[in-house]
Amino acid sequence: AQSVSQHNHHVILSEAASLELGCNYSYGGTVNLFWYVQYPGQHLQLLLKYFSGDPLVKGIKGFEAEFIKSKFSFNLRKPSVQWSDTAEYFCAVNTRGADGLTFGKGTHLIIQP
Amino acid sequence: NAGVTQTPKFQVLKTGQSMTLQCAQDMNHNSMYWYRQDPGMGLRLIYYSASEGTTDKGEVPNGYNVSRLNKREFSLRLESAAPSQTSVYFCASRTAGYGYTFGSGTRLTVV
Repeated sequence: AQSVSQHNHHVILSEAASLELGCNYSYGGTVNLFWYVQYPGQHLQLLLKYFSGDPLVKGIKGFEAEFIKSKFSFNLRKPSVQWSDTAEYFCAVNTRGADGLTFGKGTHLIIQP
Repeated sequence: NAGVTQTPKFQVLKTGQSMTLQCAQDMNHNSMYWYRQDPGMGLRLIYYSASEGTTDKGEVPNGYNVSRLNKREFSLRLESAAPSQTSVYFCASRTAGYGYTFGSGTRLTVV
């Protein structure tokens, strides 16, 4: 079974700092990759997804992620964070032919004004 | 707005009580899912339904049952609630080639 590791459980940054959240998965076959964001008290919203093609994926709110197949990684980046980016971020994997998503344990991001 | 609707939003149960969490989607998606979210654990799949008429166990199915009533609706039942089932429950749906759309969640407390 696949698993997803998010390396940073809590991250605190100042506004305008650059962000990179790590995500690694363990599965040798073809995968679909996702990043979701959960603002306090809200449901999960899709930031971006990778199914195939260009490994650099651009999502909403200025986020992007790069799929590096050789490293089994799908790290999330944003060049300049805002206070409103304070949220929980989840990386998730779906393997082709299987159903449901496998989630990482999440990264709680706090942006200080 | 189109999306996934869950009811109720909040519920408190006593140990041993039963209840059903309701989920409906109006996007004509084939697949539907139930997850639970616990602090520090991320989301874990309880049950899913790949299409109308089928259901399958996920990672943590014990203590739960599901019914795919029709293409729109997928309910989750707790027959005898336990404190370990205190969690936030999310329903989701998808169709092939697209991401998963999540409902707003049900916060369940079992005392």
